Amino acid sequence: ETGVTQTPRHLVMGMTNKKSLKCEQHLGHNAMYWYKQSAKKPLELMFVYSLEERVENNSVPSRFSPECPNSSHLFLHLHTLQPEDSALYLCASSQDHLSYEQYFGPGTRLTVT
Amino acid sequence: KNQVEQSPQSLIILEGKNCTLQCNYTVSPFSNLRWYKQDTGRGPVSLTIMTFSENTKSNGRYTATLDADTKQSSLHITASQLSDSASYICVVSVGGNEKLTFGTGTRLTIIP
Repeated sequence: ETGVTQTPRHLVMGMTNKKSLKCEQHLGHNAMYWYKQSAKKPLELMFVYSLEERVENNSVPSRFSPECPNSSHLFLHLHTLQPEDSALYLCASSQDHLSYEQYFGPGTRLTVT
Repeated sequence: KNQVEQSPQSLIILEGKNCTLQCNYTVSPFSNLRWYKQDTGRGPVSLTIMTFSENTKSNGRYTATLDADTKQSSLHITASQLSDSASYICVVSVGGNEKLTFGTGTRLTIIP
């Protein structure tokens, strides 16, 4: 295991639902990331947090709302999603946000119906 | 535009055989290149990280090469095992800000 956990591992939600994805890292890292992985597309960086401050937001729709209450936890709040948001959502952490090495969690497989 | 292209998109080989995966990039300036292995339903796990001055780096049966002049990298897998079945993702880091550019991956399937 990489030291990064994500829950839930699978999630099916309707377009009117509100749900949250959770990520926790046990590595003592200062930076955390959300990525979206769609079939046959490269990983897309969504958000970057460094020491609980958001340092990057890559034009992500407002229906995705991140929250980083401390350096070990990261959430992604979801509401009024679209079917095209169905994907694998990966969390990662690194020592700092310019660090070479990112450690990924197992991901949450999200299906929007 | 910074891009990373991988080939082939998918590959099927017999257990015990060798294979080579390719990665071409246009990222500039270059900082480092990594190969990740991603098992189905799991997150990517780093196999190797190569900087500008490194030509070859091995990690067990995995050997990565880097040609910074031609902007190409390869990942060679020796004596493949069923557990090598996974997607292999090439990731290049931009010098200065360390932003990552991801390839779409090669899906490798090892059959007995």
